[in-house]
Amino acid sequence: QSALTQPPSASGTPGQRATIPCSGSSSNIGSNTVNWYQQVPGTAPKLLIYSNDQRPSGVPDRFSGSKSGTSASLAISGLQSEDESDYYCAAWDDSLNGWVFGGGTKLTVL
Amino acid sequence: EVQLVESGGGLVQPGGSLRLSCAASGFTFGSYGMNWVRQAPGKGPEWLSYISSSSITIHHADSVKGRFTISRDNAKTSLYLQMNSLRAEDTAVYYCARESGYDYLASYYFYMDVWGKGTTVTVSS
Repeated sequence: QSALTQPPSASGTPGQRATIPCSGSSSNIGSNTVNWYQQVPGTAPKLLIYSNDQRPSGVPDRFSGSKSGTSASLAISGLQSEDESDYYCAAWDDSLNGWVFGGGTKLTVL
Repeated sequence: EVQLVESGGGLVQPGGSLRLSCAASGFTFGSYGMNWVRQAPGKGPEWLSYISSSSITIHHADSVKGRFTISRDNAKTSLYLQMNSLRAEDTAVYYCARESGYDYLASYYFYMDVWGKGTTVTVSS
């Protein structure tokens, strides 16, 4: 069981907005920032959002992140077929002295 | 180009050992903390180990504590993971990942921003 909780799946149609929630605890999301990763099966995770809401260079502004208390969310607007991927949230956990990840959400663009 | 390349994976029997390597290039390796993360088939990533830039600070996940050891050689721009007493549940793709961070308003923010392509470890008899 993952320390961070995500729904296993999410979906949307092209052009729509999709949101992926991530729930944690006071020792991880409640105390530290959240990062999001996009992973196409068979490839390495790619940093999508860092420090709750910052995009690395090259990541489209269709992707945005937010955090409130012990929860965070990733929003993808203007869904495109190439957004079909697995998405993972991650945060440092002060109690475990290590990174924790969510179980991942598979996004399907219908 | 910033790059991390893992090697050393393979098939090993339960109870055996392996040493993974991660070769870094394109950035000042000695200025960054580094991590090992693994991903079992069909599962999400699982963080294993962290080592600071000067090797002063090391953390291991409870699942591998006492069996796995992280180390680095800044002169060789390389990261290592010594894995002993391997079990079937250690079967996974193993990634090395660079940790970047910055100070802002008296807080420190950090994240794993560069990942290698991974090396596969299979533990089976």
